[in-house]
Amino acid sequence: DAGVIQSPRHEVTEMGQEVTLRCKPISGHNSLFWYRQTMMRGLELLIYFNNNVPIDDSGMPEDRFSAKMPNASFSTLKIQPSEPRDSAVYFCASSFAVTAPMNTEAFFGQGTRLTVV
Amino acid sequence: GEDVEQSLFLSVREGDSSVINCTYTDSSSTYLYWYKQEPGAGLQLLTYIFSNMDMKQDQRLTVLLNKKDKHLSLRIADTQTGDSAIYFCAESHLDGGYNKLIFGAGTRLAVHP
Repeated sequence: DAGVIQSPRHEVTEMGQEVTLRCKPISGHNSLFWYRQTMMRGLELLIYFNNNVPIDDSGMPEDRFSAKMPNASFSTLKIQPSEPRDSAVYFCASSFAVTAPMNTEAFFGQGTRLTVV
Repeated sequence: GEDVEQSLFLSVREGDSSVINCTYTDSSSTYLYWYKQEPGAGLQLLTYIFSNMDMKQDQRLTVLLNKKDKHLSLRIADTQTGDSAIYFCAESHLDGGYNKLIFGAGTRLAVHP
């Protein structure tokens, strides 16, 4: 398996534009996570899905952020409209989660570096 | 609540030992993890420990867990320049019946000659 694939790797956009980040999880994984990393706040969990269903979106900063997972092999994170303070590295991760306390390794994509000017 | 805290920076001399500390709040966490992020890359699992253990050793890495104080540490012996990276502590938290990983903000380790 190629691992978690994110696109694009880099995105530069103007304030007010819509930005869509994409993620393909590892085949067979049933959990998908979106994280944001900044120097000031470190790694923040934005939202996570189990079996394509959003379980917890309490980390999504504002209504400008939305995430979807239409099927087991694809997810998007959309920011509309984008603002300079959204500039960060956005990571997608996937894992095989079970409904019990078990070892759950998360596999991360390479990230999308977003710059909003 | 769920919170994982760690210091943001650590600087060590090459050849010395590095100790990265972490505290967590969820006493029901069954697994605790250390992830490593090298420049320009995503996070990768470095090691993990089950909550009924108090120590795990893997070559140059030693993980210590104090469950009473909810304190986790990662010791890297004979630190090398290649160990320069950001190290994340994470706890496994059951949420709605599924495992959710909660990460600390990361400790940036700088190794100097």
